Amino acid sequence: EVQLVQSGEEVKRPGESLKISCQGSGYRFGDYWIGWVRQMPDKGLEWLGTIYPDDSETRYSPSFQGQVTLSADKSVTTAYLHLYSLKSSDTALYFCARHVGQGDYSFDYWGQGTLVTVSS
Amino acid sequence: DIQMTQSPSTLSASVGDRVTITCRASQNINKWLAWYQQRPGEAPKLLIYRTSNLQGGVPSRFSGSGSGTEFTLTISSLQPDDFATYYCQQYQTYYALTFGGGTKVDVK
Repeated sequence: EVQLVQSGEEVKRPGESLKISCQGSGYRFGDYWIGWVRQMPDKGLEWLGTIYPDDSETRYSPSFQGQVTLSADKSVTTAYLHLYSLKSSDTALYFCARHVGQGDYSFDYWGQGTLVTVSS
Repeated sequence: DIQMTQSPSTLSASVGDRVTITCRASQNINKWLAWYQQRPGEAPKLLIYRTSNLQGGVPSRFSGSGSGTEFTLTISSLQPDDFATYYCQQYQTYYALTFGGGTKVDVK
């Protein structure tokens, strides 16, 4: 069974940094792109970027380029989302999701989401 | 970026109703469109990919159609589990994926 399991809820102060993890299981982790999606409170879905764990090739949304960093360690089948200089506007639910593959960039499996709250 | 516009933003319906949601792209995306369902407190769930392909395990009352810039998601007979928010996503440009703003289906 394919599963993506994310790290737990985080509460941070403005200016701090954060790393969210997403561990995959039940498939060859290195063979599928992993994307990250943000959902601000009561808002829609926004794509942040995508990484290919086999070689760590990354693609970033122009809207988030420079604000987030993606990384992956296929030896532990885990992808990471790094957020820096956090602001209250970074308060959101962050999802990782696996791309379908073979040229199809829809998302077939999702993590459970990591809630990030940034507050002084 | 390709902009995705969903309509309506909210739809009130009853169990058994036929429901149609529209997604319009700001430019041609061929058939590179997916639909997701999100219930409160849950992650999105893939319903349809590449415009009309039903994801495994998704009931056949869901269907998708369209091409180019206009796409629809149809629920042939709304069931209690289907009250949720639905999103479209384009992936014509794999380096700039975008979602529609969402359509909330609630009880009439």
